[in-house]
Amino acid sequence: DSGVTQTPKHLITATGQRVTLRCSPRSGDLSVYWYQQSLDQGLQFLIQYYNGEERAKGNILERFSAQQFPDLHSELNLSSLELGDSALYFCASSVVSGSIEAFFGQGTRLTVV
Amino acid sequence: AQSVTQLDSQVPVFEEAPVELRCNYSSSVSVYLFWYVQYPNQGLQLLLKYLSGSTLVESINGFEAEFNKSQTSFHLRKPSVHISDTAEYFCAVRSNSGNTPLVFGKGTRLSVIA
Repeated sequence: DSGVTQTPKHLITATGQRVTLRCSPRSGDLSVYWYQQSLDQGLQFLIQYYNGEERAKGNILERFSAQQFPDLHSELNLSSLELGDSALYFCASSVVSGSIEAFFGQGTRLTVV
Repeated sequence: AQSVTQLDSQVPVFEEAPVELRCNYSSSVSVYLFWYVQYPNQGLQLLLKYLSGSTLVESINGFEAEFNKSQTSFHLRKPSVHISDTAEYFCAVRSNSGNTPLVFGKGTRLSVIA
């Protein structure tokens, strides 16, 4: 168990809908990262938050957004969903200093039908 | 910016045979290097990492990887694989300055055949 919790584990929704994925980082970790894993693109970095502030942005679509709350949990919002958004979405967390590695949650499998 | 190339998308190997999973990276700055493993229907787990010092790093389950700066490689090896090693293996890199995100390769699916 990495200590990173993601909910829900599975999500099935229709095209055009909006969903929210939730991530609770390890206790004490200030930084949260979101990744998308799909068969054709592999693991793609979406966005990073550190202590509530956006820190880095990767290949995140404009239809997607994220935030990190004062209690450090993070949410990834996906809207106007398309079939191609079906993927495994991972959250990872790390501490700013000290621990260099990132710890990953089990992921949320999103299926858009 | 960094990038990672995993040269083999799939590697089938017989049980107890040796295996090498190849990884090359590109970066204009100094980096940390990682191998993550993903077992079926699970998240990513850190297998081993290179931060500095000895270029040969080992994991607790018999894997090792060697950092080669001149060849910008970080290949993963195991002298004798088990069925339980069947998984997807991801090589990753990140800058060694600041809390920057990991950049992953596309993964190598290792299938161990009995």
